Amino acid sequence: GENVEQHPSTLSVQEGDSAVIKCTYSDSASNYFPWYKQELGKRPQLIIDIRSNVGEKKDQRIAVTLNKTAKHFSLHITETQPEDSAVYFCAASIDPVGNEKLTFGTGTRLTIIP
Amino acid sequence: SAVISQKPSRDICQRGTSLTIQCQVDSQVTMMFWYRQQPGQSLTLIATANQGSEATYESGFVIDKFPISRPNLTFSTLTVSNMSPEDSSIYLCSVATVDSYEQYFGPGTRLTVT
Repeated sequence: GENVEQHPSTLSVQEGDSAVIKCTYSDSASNYFPWYKQELGKRPQLIIDIRSNVGEKKDQRIAVTLNKTAKHFSLHITETQPEDSAVYFCAASIDPVGNEKLTFGTGTRLTIIP
Repeated sequence: SAVISQKPSRDICQRGTSLTIQCQVDSQVTMMFWYRQQPGQSLTLIATANQGSEATYESGFVIDKFPISRPNLTFSTLTVSNMSPEDSSIYLCSVATVDSYEQYFGPGTRLTVT
């Protein structure tokens, strides 16, 4: 089955700097790659996603890049703010019709230092 | 996105007993999933809840331990049977529609087994 590796496990960044989290996946058939943000005691929230026919997607301060050849994708957060502190999970999906099972990475705890 | 609720939000149970967790969505969805998130860990898929047929379980999870029902397109239950302290975890349902890759999570049920 699919295996998703995520690095780093923890990341501390000065407020205003950028943060980058990287994931690799094993199954070349994967074609959907979402990112979730989970604040303490809360549910995972979908913050951005990318499909395999797109190399990059941006939403305000958040961007995701995908390299299908190398089987890796990354989350980029610019101009970080204290409210960006959370655990971030990447995921990958092999999507046979009607089945959107996600395999998650191990998570990155991001701390923004004021 | 759909509004997803779960009941109970938390519970403390004695070992050897069973707990049924409910997941309700305010609109019809195609896919419903059940995940487990152990403290400080990532999300692990337990099973896909199929409407009108038996759930599809992931490796390491069996129907006798985690029976699942999905009587319609807006509701599903997960039962954690014959509980042991190792079942202490957060259980989350998630939903998706076949015309959208996006998957959204319920608020979770925090289960403690003593």
